[in-house]
Amino acid sequence: AQTVTQSQPEMSVQEAETVTLSCTYDTSESNYYLFWYKQPPSRQMILVIRQEAYKQQNATENRFSVNFQKAAKSFSLKISDSQLGDTAMYFCALFPGANSKLTFGKGITLSVRP
Amino acid sequence: EAGVVQSPRYKIIEKKQPVAFWCNPISGHNTLYWYRQNLGQGPELLIRYENEEAVDDSQLPKDRFSAERLKGVDSTLKIQPAELGDSAVYLCASSLSSGTHEQYFGPGTRLTVT
Repeated sequence: AQTVTQSQPEMSVQEAETVTLSCTYDTSESNYYLFWYKQPPSRQMILVIRQEAYKQQNATENRFSVNFQKAAKSFSLKISDSQLGDTAMYFCALFPGANSKLTFGKGITLSVRP
Repeated sequence: EAGVVQSPRYKIIEKKQPVAFWCNPISGHNTLYWYRQNLGQGPELLIRYENEEAVDDSQLPKDRFSAERLKGVDSTLKIQPAELGDSAVYLCASSLSSGTHEQYFGPGTRLTVT
């Protein structure tokens, strides 16, 4: 079985500052995918960034980057130059492989202050 | 390219009444998922379809929930009779195949059972 843990329920950051959201996971698979999804009040789940476990290089997408620590089973999201539009719930998710299910954490509510 | 379409966006019903949700996946996507998202939680998989076949319905409460995906395209999720605890957001997602790690989500239906 796989688990995803997001222990921080809420975070707040000043506009233009940097914030890091934490996530830990557990799986017995060796090749898997990790994701961060953003869910604004509109409820549309939007993929922010993905990381393939076999890749050592941390993924980056514009202002979003991850710190993937495979041995520690840690996958944190760093948002640089935070913008008001980044206000949303953020979910960490694990996909262990084909014919498996996507497992989500409980999410974290991020508020960006003007 | 059109995204995953869901309707209705909101539904309010009294307990013991039936309710149905509709989903139209992205064109060409063979795999379709229904998730339930309780308030303050991450989505949890209810059922996964490969074309018209339900290949994982282990989390679907079969005494009151049913789903179908006729012709392997659109899908309907039904609850009959609804209970107070069914109040949640019901999300539909699709992917090219079950081996594809990237899922695309619809905007969801918020169900309130009174």
